[in-house]
Amino acid sequence: AQTVTQSQPEMSVQEAETVTLSCTYDTSESDYYLFWYKQPPSRQMILVIRQEAYKQQNATENRFSVNFQKAAKSFSLKISDSQLGDAAMYFCASIFEANAGGTSYGKLTFGQGTILTVHP
Amino acid sequence: DGGITQSPKYLFRKEGQNVTLSCEQNLNHDAMYWYRQDPGQGLRLIYYSQIVNDFQKGDIAEGYSVSREKKESFPLTVTSAQKNPTAFYLCASSIFLNQPQHFGDGTRLSIL
Repeated sequence: AQTVTQSQPEMSVQEAETVTLSCTYDTSESDYYLFWYKQPPSRQMILVIRQEAYKQQNATENRFSVNFQKAAKSFSLKISDSQLGDAAMYFCASIFEANAGGTSYGKLTFGQGTILTVHP
Repeated sequence: DGGITQSPKYLFRKEGQNVTLSCEQNLNHDAMYWYRQDPGQGLRLIYYSQIVNDFQKGDIAEGYSVSREKKESFPLTVTSAQKNPTAFYLCASSIFLNQPQHFGDGTRLSIL
């Protein structure tokens, strides 16, 4: 089975500091997509950053960057200069290829989530 | 602005009743999805559709049904066969399969 695992149920950080959220995954596929989603108290799912597995360069979006280690199957999210608005549940997710009824499709698999608290 | 609209925001179901959750998108996306989220948990895939008039079961399809008669719309019906329907339901869409999914604001379903 292809899985995504977030081993940190909760993390906290001081405002303006840096925090890293961990994510590991397991797949036999060679090509796939990895994502970090943010879910604030409003419950809306917001795409933070994405990484294609075939790309060696780590993705960056403003204060958000990833450390993608393909061999180790690790995909951590670093948030720099943390802000109060970063407080949310963060989900690591991946699209692995799956099959249903003979049709191949990309199944978005989520980790369990990490609750991030930002202290002023 | 383009986006995904889910309605209603809150929904209550009586025992033995079927209820339908609406999901509409104006992003011109081919693929649409329904997820269920239980408190403190990640998302689980209920159904997905990659094109009009076609849909496939996800991981937890039992007790649910969908239709995809129009590209813009992908309603989810929670039937009386779903014995534990209380959850937060999220609809999503993507340009096509394997692309990043954009989510609606969700519907919270509770049992009366």
